[in-house]
Amino acid sequence: QVRLVQSGAEVKRPGASVKVSCKTSGYTFTNYGFIWFRQAPGQGLEWLGWISGYSGNTDYTQKLQDRLTVTTDTSTSTGYMELRSLTSDDTAVYYCARMRISNLRVWPFGDYWGQGSLVTVSS
Amino acid sequence: EIVLTQSPGTLSLSPGERATLSCRASQSLSDNYVAWYQQKPGQSPRLLIFGASSRAAGTPHRFSGSGSGPDFSLTISRLEPEDFAVYYCQQYAKSLTFGGGTKVEI
Repeated sequence: QVRLVQSGAEVKRPGASVKVSCKTSGYTFTNYGFIWFRQAPGQGLEWLGWISGYSGNTDYTQKLQDRLTVTTDTSTSTGYMELRSLTSDDTAVYYCARMRISNLRVWPFGDYWGQGSLVTVSS
Repeated sequence: EIVLTQSPGTLSLSPGERATLSCRASQSLSDNYVAWYQQKPGQSPRLLIFGASSRAAGTPHRFSGSGSGPDFSLTISRLEPEDFAVYYCQQYAKSLTFGGGTKVEI
């Protein structure tokens, strides 16, 4: 079955960087992409960015595009999200989700989700 | 940026009742590119509906999505105890944005 397993919780100082991983199984990695979201404590969902597992194309929310990088490692069927120059506003649960690709276009919604990774930014 | 407004913020209903959740976009959404998710406390969101009306794998038939232009809705025909949760709409017609969520409570 389709599974996305994320890395564990992290505590970071302001100004540091965090890299969250998302290891997949149960499907052909290059036929799909990753889409990344976050949810601040008690808040709603926010889209961060996506990457096509087929082409490597990416798209980012304008708000974070200077600090955010999403990548994939096809050899391990794993996706990564790195966020730099962290502030307390980045404290949230970060989610990866599988993103569909069909007819060579991406469909940016998440059909299977990881369990979430809590990132806490605190001095 | 397309803003999605979900209403009501909270819906108080009983098992067996019908729930209708609204999602209004600040502009018309091309090709009905709207998805709906369910999120229970402490859990990851779960995709219910995409393309405004297509059920995702495993979505029970009591869930249905409809709408066009700027107005979309999610209907739960008869609430089951496990349906009490927060529901989010998301548009992917122009970048991606989420609504603020509707909590369905007993």
